[in-house]
Amino acid sequence: AQTVTQSQPEMSVQEAETVTLSCTYDTSENNYYLFWYKQPPSRQMILVIRQEAYKQQNATENRFSVNFQKAAKSFSLKISDSQLGDTAMYFCAFMSPTGTASKLTFGTGTRLQVTL
Amino acid sequence: GAGVSQSPSNKVTEKGKDVELRCDPISGHTALYWYRQRLGQGLEFLIYFQGNSAPDKSGLPSDRFSAERTGESVSTLTIQRTQQEDSAVYLCASSLVFLETQYFGPGTRLLVL
Repeated sequence: AQTVTQSQPEMSVQEAETVTLSCTYDTSENNYYLFWYKQPPSRQMILVIRQEAYKQQNATENRFSVNFQKAAKSFSLKISDSQLGDTAMYFCAFMSPTGTASKLTFGTGTRLQVTL
Repeated sequence: GAGVSQSPSNKVTEKGKDVELRCDPISGHTALYWYRQRLGQGLEFLIYFQGNSAPDKSGLPSDRFSAERTGESVSTLTIQRTQQEDSAVYLCASSLVFLETQYFGPGTRLLVL
């Protein structure tokens, strides 16, 4: 079974600074998908970024980018120019293309606080 | 609709009562998922529907939990004889097809007294 580990329960960053959230995972599969989701206090899970394991290029979405290290099974999220609206829980998630359900396996989350 | 919607937003019930939670997926999305999020934890997969195929119920924690979906429309998650440990946020997600990105609803917060 796949597992996802987020070792940073809480992090804080000042507005306009850069912060990196860590995520490691365990799988025996070669092809899979990785995600970062953001969950603000409103509870809505919002997709931040998606990475396909077969792609060597790291995914980027505006201020958000990932550092995908397949051999190390590491998938960190970098947030540049942090904004107050980035304050939220961030969840790393894994999806396997095998089996009948493309379910997401989530880490326990990192609570990010952006301060003035 | 524009996104996944869920109702009710909050539900308080007494131990032993049955509850029904509803999810309206994004129009045209064939895949629908239910997850449970206990306080301070990540999401746990409960059940998956894909079109008219048999659902994947491998994540349901007990036989008190069941879910239905008619075609590619609304889904309901039913919890019978609720227990205090059922208190959690129940999140629904849908995706266009298998392996596509899942989009989440705002969840239903269930509190069992």
